[in-house]
Amino acid sequence: KNEVEQSPQNLTAQEGEFITINCSYSVGISALHWLQQHPGGGIVSLFMLSSGKKKHGRLIATINIQEKHSSLHITASHPRDSAVYICAVNGNQFYFGTGTSLTVIP
Amino acid sequence: NAGVTQTPKFRILKIGQSMTLQCTQDMNHNYMYWYRQDPGMGLKLIYYSVGAGITDKGEVPNGYNVSRSTTEDFPLRLELAAPSQTSVYFCASRARTGQETQYFGPGTRLLVL
Repeated sequence: KNEVEQSPQNLTAQEGEFITINCSYSVGISALHWLQQHPGGGIVSLFMLSSGKKKHGRLIATINIQEKHSSLHITASHPRDSAVYICAVNGNQFYFGTGTSLTVIP
Repeated sequence: NAGVTQTPKFRILKIGQSMTLQCTQDMNHNYMYWYRQDPGMGLKLIYYSVGAGITDKGEVPNGYNVSRSTTEDFPLRLELAAPSQTSVYFCASRARTGQETQYFGPGTRLLVL
């Protein structure tokens, strides 16, 4: 069993839709990260969370430490949001989810 | 700052050949990491370093070696390449403090035939 599980694995949305990607983890952590991997392969960090909620533009990330769960929300989705979104946690090492592949259709 | 740079971008190796994947960061980060990403799988940690002269194994170290002679550079060496090492390799770095985010290089796509 993976230490980090994401759902859904694949997601297709119409432009403008509200999107939620979920992440559950099974290890003790000091922080959780949401990463975005572009179709070209590059990986960028979107958020680092240890509690509560963070917002950056149309992206919102929340974490519930007691439930070991985090969500990434995208409001008013746009085709340029199409990417793979990866959840990662700082445990005794970094653990990564397998990613959620998002496609936003115009 | 260039951030984290990796070379080469793409390489084809024959079985049994060896090569070094280069990784350099110019952010004076202490922590550096090597990951591999196989299709449909999450990133797996190969080796990491907490500072110059200090390296340690990650989850999947077999078939690889690393060195960290300077803060900036963290090369990954493949000896006797095998088809199972076909993957995309990412180098990343972060600062010393416990919760700093990681910065990723652009990746090296390796094909072993």
